[in-house]
Amino acid sequence: ETGVTQSPTHLIKTRGQQVTLRCSSQSGHNTVSWYQQALGQGPQFIFQYYREEENGRGNFPPRFSGLQFPNYSSELNVNALELDDSALYLCASSSGSGGATDTQYFGPGTRLTVL
Amino acid sequence: QKEVEQDPGPLSVPEGAIVSLNCTYSNSAFQYFMWYRQYSRKGPELLMYTYSSGNKEDGRFTAQVDKSSKYISLFIRDSQPSDSATYLCATRGGATNKLIFGTGTLLAVQP
Repeated sequence: ETGVTQSPTHLIKTRGQQVTLRCSSQSGHNTVSWYQQALGQGPQFIFQYYREEENGRGNFPPRFSGLQFPNYSSELNVNALELDDSALYLCASSSGSGGATDTQYFGPGTRLTVL
Repeated sequence: QKEVEQDPGPLSVPEGAIVSLNCTYSNSAFQYFMWYRQYSRKGPELLMYTYSSGNKEDGRFTAQVDKSSKYISLFIRDSQPSDSATYLCATRGGATNKLIFGTGTLLAVQP
């Protein structure tokens, strides 16, 4: 077990709705990253937070947003859900600042289905 | 062209076989390479981590990087049914050193 937890495990939403996914990092891990993994694909980087500030973003539209809190928890918010947003959403935490040698530990993911 | 290419498989082998999993990458600036294992309904877990070219061995697993051909490999000796999972190759890139994954190869080891 990595110590990274995510909730909920599964979620079903309809197109146009908004969703909030939650992650609890290991204690002492100041960096959290979020990834989207579509079926049969590798994870795609959404964004990264370090000490409550976003410090990197992948090729995702602004309706994907996030927050990181001082208690090592974080959120991924997605507005105006589209069918293509159906995927496994993974968060990963690390103890460093997100550098190249920083090992990321993944949670089990939240499976989001958009109907 | 994708930054990291990986054959999605599936790959099915008998127990005890040697498994070879491979990826290619496009950017010669990439220096850190990882292999993750992902069991069904779980998040990826780091299996092997290598820097630049060369081999790294850990038990039954060997990771190999050939920077001249931009080719990375994972070998599994004496494969076991418990090795059945999706194997993802990855590298770090961009200003944020984000993880860049291949599509993953689904491996099934038959008892």
